Amino acid sequence: AQSVTQPDIHITVSEGASLELRCNYSYGATPYLFWYVQSPGQGLQLLLKYFSGDTLVQGIKGFEAEFKRSQSSFNLRKPSVHWSDAAEYFCAVYRDDKIIFGKGTRLHILP
Amino acid sequence: DGGITQSPKYLFRKEGQNVTLSCEQNLNHDAMYWYRQDPGQGLRLIYYSQIVNDFQKGDIAEGYSVSREKKESFPLTVTSAQKNPTAFYLCASSIDLGSYEQYFGPGTRLTVT
Repeated sequence: AQSVTQPDIHITVSEGASLELRCNYSYGATPYLFWYVQSPGQGLQLLLKYFSGDTLVQGIKGFEAEFKRSQSSFNLRKPSVHWSDAAEYFCAVYRDDKIIFGKGTRLHILP
Repeated sequence: DGGITQSPKYLFRKEGQNVTLSCEQNLNHDAMYWYRQDPGQGLRLIYYSQIVNDFQKGDIAEGYSVSREKKESFPLTVTSAQKNPTAFYLCASSIDLGSYEQYFGPGTRLTVT
């Protein structure tokens, strides 16, 4: 069965520090992968997506993610976080006309 | 501005009552979706529709119903049969069912007491 795992429920980083959020997927072939961000009480916004090609993808708000087939991972990174990045982040995979979401990682930013 | 609207933002109901959540989009998208979000659970698919007058059950359809009489509208009814209806409900749309990118509305928080 295909699934998306985000092993960290909460992550806390200091403002200006670098960030990496982990995502692992289980799937038999190269999946279509996404990262979404959700501010409190709001809908989801697409940060970036990977379908094929270059395994390092750039997204909005200065985020990037790297697809590593050997590790079944699609980790999200940002070199320097801002207080406004505090939110919940969801990794997701596309399968059978549906998007399957991970359980999310809540990012906290220390001033 | 194109987008998805959900109303109301907050909804309160007594147990045993049916309640309908609104979702409207002006993106001219064919496909629409309803998700339920609970803390620490991610998003779970309730129903989806790829075209007017057609919809399919998602992973947690029990206790919910939908209609798709217009392309722009995809209302969700939470029935009294839903055992634990208190949650945050998100509506989304995409160009069509095969389109990977979904656009989300701001959500409705339903509280049933």
